[in-house]
Amino acid sequence: DGGITQSPKYLFRKEGQNVTLSCEQNLNHDAMYWYRQDPGQGLRLIYYSQIVNDFQKGDIAEGYSVSREKKESFPLTVTSAQKNPTAFYLCASSIATGVGNQPQHFGDGTRLSIL
Amino acid sequence: SQQGEEDPQALSIQEGENATMNCSYKTSINNLQWYRQNSGRGLVHLILIRSNEREKHSGRLRVTLDTSKKSSSLLITASRAADTASYFCAGFTGGGNKLTFGTGTQLKVEL
Repeated sequence: DGGITQSPKYLFRKEGQNVTLSCEQNLNHDAMYWYRQDPGQGLRLIYYSQIVNDFQKGDIAEGYSVSREKKESFPLTVTSAQKNPTAFYLCASSIATGVGNQPQHFGDGTRLSIL
Repeated sequence: SQQGEEDPQALSIQEGENATMNCSYKTSINNLQWYRQNSGRGLVHLILIRSNEREKHSGRLRVTLDTSKKSSSLLITASRAADTASYFCAGFTGGGNKLTFGTGTQLKVEL
């Protein structure tokens, strides 16, 4: 079955530690996205990538980093610079951005908490 | 920044009743999309309506779009307990190549 896989489902971070969230898709989609979801605030865009080896900052990129070395993979690193990392992180993909206005397909998220 | 604001924030109805959720957005959009999220899960795309469309149907879903008022509504007819979820609108701005989500409506359908 085609889809998006996020791992792990739950993740705990110690103070001063970087953690990496995995996102893999087998939908052959060009575009991938990372969102942060906090209670009552909906989804906010962290980073997005339209093509391999290229990515752009979203609305709340500070304290986060990404890479896009392969079409299938778009890992997100939450760095120690992100002072309030506790949230639900969602990865999504779409056929392409700005072309045909395609819907996004989401993974089931990673819940990150601070120890 | 949030593109849309959903209204109401929470809605509780009985099974069989209709549920209406409204979304107001701030900037011009190319299309508006509605998504559903079950508790603790990812979002699932429901329907997309383009800026030149006024109404669209998909099964028990009916979406309207009023670009002059910058608003959209999602109607779920003959609701079922399985419709219990959060519903989000999201505006697509072609210039930004990204979706901007609203804050969501939590729908609870009781037996």
